This record gives sequence, structure tokens and C-alpha cells, in this order.
Amino acid sequence: SQTIHQWPATLVQPVGSPLSLECTVEGTSNPNLYWYRQAAGRGLQLLFYSVGIGQISSEVPQNLSASRPQDRQFILSSKKLLLSDSGFYLCAWSGRGWGTEMPQHFGDGTRLSIL
Amino acid sequence: GENVEQHPSTLSVQEGDSAVIKCTYSDSASNYFPWYKQELGKGPQLIIDIRSNVGEKKDQRIAVTLNKTAKHFSLHITETQPEDSAVYFCAAPFTGGGNKLTFGTGTQLKVEL
Repeated sequence: SQTIHQWPATLVQPVGSPLSLECTVEGTSNPNLYWYRQAAGRGLQLLFYSVGIGQISSEVPQNLSASRPQDRQFILSSKKLLLSDSGFYLCAWSGRGWGTEMPQHFGDGTRLSIL
Repeated sequence: GENVEQHPSTLSVQEGDSAVIKCTYSDSASNYFPWYKQELGKGPQLIIDIRSNVGEKKDQRIAVTLNKTAKHFSLHITETQPEDSAVYFCAAPFTGGGNKLTFGTGTQLKVEL
């Protein structure tokens, strides 16, 4: 069966510090991969979307970037964190539907607090 | 792009009662509508989804109905239990496809004993 892992579960970082959050998927190949941010009490905002190694689409302008160095690895990064980067970051994967929408499956997220 | 509205934002029911959460969408071409359950400190979990070629889908105590004409879909939970307490999100595909989703703002469901 497929599983998705995110780490760390929680992270406290000072303003201006760099960031690296990692997500890996097991049990599938060629997944679509996603990064979302969830502000407290709010819905999910899609940040990045990837259909393959090195292929990243950014959905909103921001202080963050994403990379996909391997088929089942997705990394969220920042060179200098802002206070507004605080939130709950979720990684998700889906299969390839080839014209049909496929369910997305989420990891358990990283709670990021910027001080 | 796709706009998804979800109501109510909070819902409190007595154990054993039914709960209904409603979502509307704007893109008539949307053809896939998932529902997610998110417990505190966890990621959202897919609980049921429906495609536009059917009007209703049921899985034990959970059902989803779809009205394509009115562009709305609803989650129905019957015989609610305390473990149903969570935040529920609906979603619909981004306009233009790409297997991306737009999410509703969530409903906090509380099942009281």
C-alpha cells in the first residue's frame, strides 16, 4: 500500500533563517506531488504542484520554493523565513489520471512556527 | 478559477443525529468532488468522493449527493458518533484541470454526548 511521510512534525525557527521540509512517498511511482499551507482555522491553499522530477509549478507568489530531486521526494524550502510563513504545511500525492481526476492523499503535516 | 463555498462553518449535533454539510462550486465542467476529514494535528483524510456521472454515493454511515444543475454537493453523516467530531473539507478541481483541487473553508463538526 502507499504511504506518505513528512518531517519534521513540528519546527520552530527564527525570522530570517532557512527552511527545508521533506516529503517522501512509498508504494507508488510517478505520483503527482503537492505542497499546501493551512493557516489556523482556514482551508488549504495549494503552494506547489509537481508532475515529475524537476517539474514544479508555483500556484501563488511567495517566499518559498519547492524541488523534486527524485520521483517520490518533494522538498519545500526557503532562504529566509518571514513571520507570515508560519502555518501548517501539508504534502500530498495522487496517481496519474490521464484526464480523470485522481484522489489526493495527505501526510500528517509540519507545524511551522516563526519567532 | 473554481470557487468552492462551504456551509456551515460550525455544526453541533447530538450523538445519533444526522449531520449535513453543503458545498457549492462555480465551474460547470467540474467532474470530481472529494470530502476530507481532518482530526486535530493530523492531515486531511479522504473519506468519500463522487464523480459527476452519479448523483449519490454511500459508504456505511457516510453519503455524498451531487446536484450538477444547481452546482452543489453535500456530505451526509447518519447516526453520528463522538469520533465523527473533526473538521470536514469539500473540494473541487481547479478550472483547467491538472489534478489540482480547490478546497472549501471547512466545517467544524462537534458531536455531543
